[in-house]
Amino acid sequence: AAGVIQSPRHLIKEKRETATLKCYPIPRHDTVYWYQQGPGQDPQFLISFYEKMQSDKGSIPDRFSAQQFSDYHSELNMSSLELGDSALYFCASSEGQSDEQYFGPGTRLTVT
Amino acid sequence: AQSVTQLGSHVSVSEGALVLLRCNYSSSVPPYLFWYVQYPNQGLQLLLKYTTGATLVKGINGFEAEFKKSETSFHLTKPSAHMSDAAEYFCAVSLQAGTALIFGKGTTLSVSS
Repeated sequence: AAGVIQSPRHLIKEKRETATLKCYPIPRHDTVYWYQQGPGQDPQFLISFYEKMQSDKGSIPDRFSAQQFSDYHSELNMSSLELGDSALYFCASSEGQSDEQYFGPGTRLTVT
Repeated sequence: AQSVTQLGSHVSVSEGALVLLRCNYSSSVPPYLFWYVQYPNQGLQLLLKYTTGATLVKGINGFEAEFKKSETSFHLTKPSAHMSDAAEYFCAVSLQAGTALIFGKGTTLSVSS
């Protein structure tokens, strides 16, 4: 079965650079969630989209922005990267307002 | 506000022994409860969930959990541990369908032969 696709899987950036993470949800899923998991930490919710509109916002820094496109894929844009942004970034998708979220493999961002 | 507390950041069992991972939640309304498993360098996989109905829920890989409202608990169990069960386990809660998950700090399960 098709799963959530995230790209790139690994990304190394320097401080103050920008990064763009991409998420391709499972076909027919119209809801996307972004989570950030720091080293040894639990995943923290950043932001979500339903039908291309922002549906909820969590602890997302102002330096980050995200959007969902007409094909339902989503991109997380991160600017002025800081060392503390080094983390695993997960995307999850669901169908409508379903209670089940399916997670992608994550993008590991390392900021040096 | 919702929150999740997982008691024990690390649990070690022998192969064939009972697995018990504890989770307590705090929620102002009847919550949706989930257990996810994370293997090294992989994403989160849903093990099981409780939304409404039967309080004992069965999941994949022989795991099950019981929702106990009076104890605000949702502990995860498996009668007999396998080496392949070694992973990080996260308990999570959400207010309603279609909303963000709030995760506990996770419990690392180690299984020895």
